[in-house]
Amino acid sequence: NAGVTQTPKFQVLKTGQSMTLQCAQDMNHEYMSWYRQDPGMGLRLIHYSVGAGITDQGEVPNGYNVSRSTTEDFPLRLLSAAPSQTSVYFCASSYSLLNYGYTFGSGTRLTVV
Amino acid sequence: GENVEQHPSTLSVQEGDSAVIKCTYSDSASNYFPWYKQELGKRPQLIIDIRSNVGEKKDQRIAVTLNKTAKHFSLHITETQPEDSAVYFCAGVSGGGADGLTFGKGTHLIIQP
Repeated sequence: NAGVTQTPKFQVLKTGQSMTLQCAQDMNHEYMSWYRQDPGMGLRLIHYSVGAGITDQGEVPNGYNVSRSTTEDFPLRLLSAAPSQTSVYFCASSYSLLNYGYTFGSGTRLTVV
Repeated sequence: GENVEQHPSTLSVQEGDSAVIKCTYSDSASNYFPWYKQELGKRPQLIIDIRSNVGEKKDQRIAVTLNKTAKHFSLHITETQPEDSAVYFCAGVSGGGADGLTFGKGTHLIIQP
């Protein structure tokens, strides 16, 4: 049982490049989400999914796309990287929407130059 | 949606003393309030949570209290130890939960030897 696995751990992109951050969980959790963490800003929700085939936007969705083709995987795509997207990205999953704590992945530190 | 305010942003206490971190929330329908601990360079980890039908919950040196009327909840750490040094985040679940957890901006707890 690996929990929530994120790859890569570190990434440097040039402005305008695209990439996909991978997230996979093996706990059969229905709810998955992506957060970004910036100094002094806490954790802000980018996109979330309540099950396979269902996704929705969070607080800061601009510049990001997601898809959920399986229960296990929830990749985050940066369409055209910008320096403002320099951040630490966390994927999280939960058994249910309500009343259950999240399990977080180990994070991806992304730098856009 | 939910809005969670957290205070203080930095808290320094002597080893062995108690620490209290406070959060307020805006959505009276919120009914689940977890606390996460994040050590430097690590992922956030759930340390304790409370549901709206409970006023207080304890787990060894950690306790959380909830005042639904005033819409605030607090984390209490007693007999602080060096390993308690970390950033602590409170969170609330907004409305029906689909929007996920809304996090406070975090409290950097420093334990002075």
